[in-house]
Amino acid sequence: EAQVTQNPRYLITVTGKKLTVTCSQNMNHEYMSWYRQDPGLGLRQIYYSMNVEVTDKGDVPEGYKVSRKEKRNFPLILESPSPNQTSLYFCASSLSHTYNEQFFGPGTRLTVL
Amino acid sequence: AQSVTQLDSHVSVSEGTPVLLRCNYSSSYSPSLFWYVQHPNKGLQLLLKYTSAATLVKGINGFEAEFKKSETSFHLTKPSAHMSDAAEYFCVVSDQYNAGGTSYGKLTFGQGTILTVHP
Repeated sequence: EAQVTQNPRYLITVTGKKLTVTCSQNMNHEYMSWYRQDPGLGLRQIYYSMNVEVTDKGDVPEGYKVSRKEKRNFPLILESPSPNQTSLYFCASSLSHTYNEQFFGPGTRLTVL
Repeated sequence: AQSVTQLDSHVSVSEGTPVLLRCNYSSSYSPSLFWYVQHPNKGLQLLLKYTSAATLVKGINGFEAEFKKSETSFHLTKPSAHMSDAAEYFCVVSDQYNAGGTSYGKLTFGQGTILTVHP
């Protein structure tokens, strides 16, 4: 089944404790992206990747890191999480960013205490 | 820089009446435009997309949108609302630019419009 998977789905952590949210797609998509969703703000793009080893900042990259060493995986890293990073996170992938539908993962709800 | 403005944060309609969700955008290039829907506690699903072909775009579940370049708008409509249409809707613009020989693409979501459908 074609899908985007994210792990974990729910995470409660404490300030400063490094964490990684994994994202994997099995559709051979080139474009992958991370978003955070906050009430009243819609989805805001954190980072995106056009292809392996090509990444760029979105609208809200501060406090996050990404890497794209393989086409299927695009992990999101929070080196030192803070409470303002409490949010719902979505990973998405598509064939390309311009003409193609983005397929979204199920979301990761992160709480930073 | 690109941006998207959804003009209404909440829209309320009665079942069987028309739906209009408004979206204005700004873009430095020729954008691609999308509408996504998110039902409560669910992920996002593509409704329709505009990619410089026909300006009137038909999507799933009876929704359609018209790209109007002169008005920089991409409003979403449906002739007759159904209870199952109650959800949050997002307008999205996609731009592409080139830097250092590499092509980049950035997507910007609007703030969302919550559609309520009354019996």
